[in-house]
Amino acid sequence: SQQGEEDPQALSIQEGENATMNCSYKTSINNLQWYRQNSGRGLVHLILIRSNEREKHSGRLRVTLDTSKKSSSLLITASRAADTASYFCATDAGGSSNTGKLIFGQGTTLQVKP
Amino acid sequence: EPEVTQTPSHQVTQMGQEVILRCVPISNHLYFYWYRQILGQKVEFLVSFYNNEISEKSEIFDDQFSVERPDGSNFTLKIRSTKLEDSAMYFCASSADYEQYFGPGTRLTVT
Repeated sequence: SQQGEEDPQALSIQEGENATMNCSYKTSINNLQWYRQNSGRGLVHLILIRSNEREKHSGRLRVTLDTSKKSSSLLITASRAADTASYFCATDAGGSSNTGKLIFGQGTTLQVKP
Repeated sequence: EPEVTQTPSHQVTQMGQEVILRCVPISNHLYFYWYRQILGQKVEFLVSFYNNEISEKSEIFDDQFSVERPDGSNFTLKIRSTKLEDSAMYFCASSADYEQYFGPGTRLTVT
């Protein structure tokens, strides 16, 4: 798989349920960021987790990072119809010449049914 | 809340024409980026810019592309001679640290 691959590719749930999306990557990272994109719109930054962090919370969002497995998960609790969007993980490989370049995955399309 | 803005929202141009996409990053940010997203595909990195010079560019960012920060607020992406395959959504982003904040994008359609 390529750097920053999410699964599932598509997820459909009922309002109030939790949604979990996973991301895997191949190279070592400096940090991993999750973004949301509503159809045809820009990318909204959700949360950043650094390579030395294991878990981070922001409101209804919970992100975990397992650097040994090179994977991350995004959990959205008590989902709402407004959470319907595509969700992307993006990795910043860092390194000696850290330019901030982000590598995005293909994304998970989440549909939350009212 | 400060945000990245981009103009125009939609640009239609003919193959071979030059286009300039404009971005106003968040004012206290020092790092600037361009990404693109071809319809139905993943977001791809084009270039990063810091201290008035390119810090990294991708293979996509060939001699047809250039970036400039002509004044203290604007950050532009120029495509000298557009090709059909340049049709995509182009996103500008800026950051002060590691978190990158994206603009709403410019949809470029090359006919």
